[in-house]
Amino acid sequence: DTAVSQTPKYLVTQMGNDKSIKCEQNLGHDTMYWYKQDSKKFLKIMFSYNNKELIINETVPNRFSPKSPDKAHLNLHINSLELGDSAVYFCASSPRMGVGNQPQHFGDGTRLSIL
Amino acid sequence: DQQVKQNSPSLSVQEGRISILNCDYTNSMFDYFLWYKKYPAEGPTFLISISSIKDKNEDGRFTVFLNKSAKHLSLHIVPSQPGDSAVYFCAASGGYGGATNKLIFGTGTLLAVQP
Repeated sequence: DTAVSQTPKYLVTQMGNDKSIKCEQNLGHDTMYWYKQDSKKFLKIMFSYNNKELIINETVPNRFSPKSPDKAHLNLHINSLELGDSAVYFCASSPRMGVGNQPQHFGDGTRLSIL
Repeated sequence: DQQVKQNSPSLSVQEGRISILNCDYTNSMFDYFLWYKKYPAEGPTFLISISSIKDKNEDGRFTVFLNKSAKHLSLHIVPSQPGDSAVYFCAASGGYGGATNKLIFGTGTLLAVQP
């Protein structure tokens, strides 16, 4: 049973296209996140949702639009893809806002390659 | 502005010996520090955490030490096992008002445990 699952695992597409990445967690957590790991291996937060409400938006271009239909799902839609969007995107969840003894659980990532 | 730094990109140790992974941070307002372990093509997995009010936390073979005055933490693995070979990420949270669930990651250290 995968706790945090992302689809697709790999995504290869042309510059200018629009694509979506889906994320689902079956842990009953309230909070979900999107992270981007770039070519330099920096793992950086993009968005955080708590119970379907946007909490963190880390100055991400508005071509990126997260959508949370319910607290178990947080999808990421990207418009007009650019070469710099090539990265691994990780979805994560935690029981509720706050860390420490409530670590975040990560999916296995979606490797996005822009041609 | 890299607030969490892991200056050693890689570390190689012999099986059975101690592995020491280091992490430095700049933001004195961080209130939690976490270590994550990542295998290739998988998402990061939570390993151990420490609150900023403590200087040591131990969980089996893993111990994290925090030196607040030096803004330095380290992860000790004793004894090291080949299955510990992975990338280890240091992460910190807090210091952002209400957004305490935002994790700031270091760039990771690749640990190789030689049989």
